[in-house]
Amino acid sequence: GNSVTQMEGPVTLSEEAFLTINCTYTATGYPSLFWYVQYPGEGLQLLLKATKADDKGSNKGFEATYRKETTSFHLEKGSVQVSDSAVYFCALRALEYSGGGADGLTFGKGTHLIIQP
Amino acid sequence: DAGVIQSPRHEVTEMGQEVTLRCKPISGHDYLFWYRQTMMRGLELLIYFNNNVPIDDSGMPEDRFSAKMPNASFSTLKIQPSEPRDSAVYFCASSRRRTGQRNTEAFFGQGTRLTVV
Repeated sequence: GNSVTQMEGPVTLSEEAFLTINCTYTATGYPSLFWYVQYPGEGLQLLLKATKADDKGSNKGFEATYRKETTSFHLEKGSVQVSDSAVYFCALRALEYSGGGADGLTFGKGTHLIIQP
Repeated sequence: DAGVIQSPRHEVTEMGQEVTLRCKPISGHDYLFWYRQTMMRGLELLIYFNNNVPIDDSGMPEDRFSAKMPNASFSTLKIQPSEPRDSAVYFCASSRRRTGQRNTEAFFGQGTRLTVV
């Protein structure tokens, strides 16, 4: 089956610090990979995605590279801001029509990021 | 586009009562997903539909849970009878399969926070 493992939180950093949130996955088939962000009281929003090996997704200063050899998709940002405080979810979506619920996104448990001024 | 619309945003009900959660997906999207989010279990896929047809309901916890999608613009998730352990945030998400594109992302609603007392 499909699964996503990401580092447990909360992760507390000072403003302008470098951020890495680790994410590894197991999947049947060739998945696409996503990072979603959830701000307090809101739904999940897509932050970035990558659909094939060595692709780099980027948005709002965040980056993640699809590493097939290490089955990883770590999220990084060079200088975090207080406004980046949120819960971050790594997710995968396997090939469509492969059955067994593969069309649904499989999420990690989320990492709560707290940025202090 | 207004995005995925869920109602109500908050629901407080007594144990044993029937609860109905509603979702309007983004127009033109042919996939609809229901997720449940709790602190203990994170985000869980309950059921998803493709072209209004339930494809995989293996995530539905018990027979007390049921979901319908009578048309392309509306879906319901019903819990009858409700129990305190059903308390969670329930998210609806939709996506569209584009020809030639793999594994497109899902767009989430704001969620319904359900409290069963």
